[in-house]
Amino acid sequence: SQELEQSPQSLIVQEGKNLTINCTSSKTLYGLYWYKQKYGEGLIFLMMLQKGGEEKSHEKITAKLDEKKQQSSLHITASQPSHAGIYLCGAAYNNNDMRFGAGTRLTVKP
Amino acid sequence: GAVVSQHPSRVICKSGTSVKIECRSLDFQATTMFWYRQFPKQSLMLMATSNEGSKATYEQGVEKDKFLINHASLTLSTLTVTSAHPEDSSFYICSARNEAASGYTFGSGTRLTVV
Repeated sequence: SQELEQSPQSLIVQEGKNLTINCTSSKTLYGLYWYKQKYGEGLIFLMMLQKGGEEKSHEKITAKLDEKKQQSSLHITASQPSHAGIYLCGAAYNNNDMRFGAGTRLTVKP
Repeated sequence: GAVVSQHPSRVICKSGTSVKIECRSLDFQATTMFWYRQFPKQSLMLMATSNEGSKATYEQGVEKDKFLINHASLTLSTLTVTSAHPEDSSFYICSARNEAASGYTFGSGTRLTVV
């Protein structure tokens, strides 16, 4: 989606390191969703953020949505090989369809 | 939780034939479903929005006569790839808007290979 920019496109980290993935929208978001995918497989829902300033955590993954609801970050603490995959941010602008960022391919080296 | 069943998971078809992919919401009603396509090493691209009882809305550049969408009930949407060609080979995935949960539930995807 041209409205949604995700960075970086790929990321290689050593096991145990922290990392951050960013997602920036050109328009105010109705909702921001984070998914994980292994290519050719379905999406694994991670988190949904709707309120400005909202932050959610699940195990070692934390996602935040800024006050203006135009930028979100996904932070993984003490990465493990099981975190490897493609991370996708999805944006809902009008409570209808969802558009995705380009994705971030994460590799965690043991 | 909400489940969307997508079938088939894999299909191989000959060039020129048509293939139908089904997307069912199992425990909730979905007035709106979405169809995406994903090429290797790329993200999910929205193809069309499927509306129960009305015509689908297609994204720019998606041929509506080639990708036929039918959403005849509140729990089923189908995507038919007509006269498939090798360039249609891709990963197709559907999702359903779950109004009650204020979220989207995705199917497990269909890998289409046209030979």
